[in-house]
Amino acid sequence: NAGVTQTPKFQVLKTGQSMTLQCAQDMNHEYMSWYRQDPGMGLRLIHYSVGAGITDQGEVPNGYNVSRSTTEDFPLRLLSAAPSQTSVYFCASSYVGRSYEQYFGPGTRLTVT
Amino acid sequence: KQEVTQIPAALSVPEGENLVLNCSFTDSAIYNLQWFRQDPGKGLTSLLLIQSSQREQTSGRLNASLDKSSGRSTLYIAASQPGDSATYLCAVRPDSNYQLIWGAGTKLIIKP
Repeated sequence: NAGVTQTPKFQVLKTGQSMTLQCAQDMNHEYMSWYRQDPGMGLRLIHYSVGAGITDQGEVPNGYNVSRSTTEDFPLRLLSAAPSQTSVYFCASSYVGRSYEQYFGPGTRLTVT
Repeated sequence: KQEVTQIPAALSVPEGENLVLNCSFTDSAIYNLQWFRQDPGKGLTSLLLIQSSQREQTSGRLNASLDKSSGRSTLYIAASQPGDSATYLCAVRPDSNYQLIWGAGTKLIIKP
């Protein structure tokens, strides 16, 4: 199993550009989520999904869109990048059910200039 | 609103020492608590998950305890090694939803 994979590893954007961060998992997990991690702060939940066709907002959803057309993939779209979105982005997955531990991808380091 | 705090933010100890990392949370209505390890530039690896009905979990040299009533969890690392150097994060899952609420982490350095 590859686990949770994320692409790209690094990305530099100019203000106003759009892009999609990719996340895929091969563990047949129903639950997938996106976090951002900023220095000195805990991870913050952006969006999550409990299955194909179902998504919901987390703590900091503004400026981001998601969709879940398959169980395996959960892309995160930045609509119009802003410097405040400079961060490290992590995708995570798990089985549905709060007892299950989450598995994380290696992260995407995004810089918006 | 649930808040999770980890103190200290950084800790440096000589190799071989036993050490304790702390995690506190403000609302005792939690479903479970997880400890994670993060190496520089890498993702997070789950170390231990404690359900709210449990008092502790053990994996190798790691032992995590949970005291819901006092809003505290500790991660005990026995016989520390340089390879234990990493940032350790704790996260609580509230009773009410799926979201994890995270502490900011403790950066641990084990000196050879």
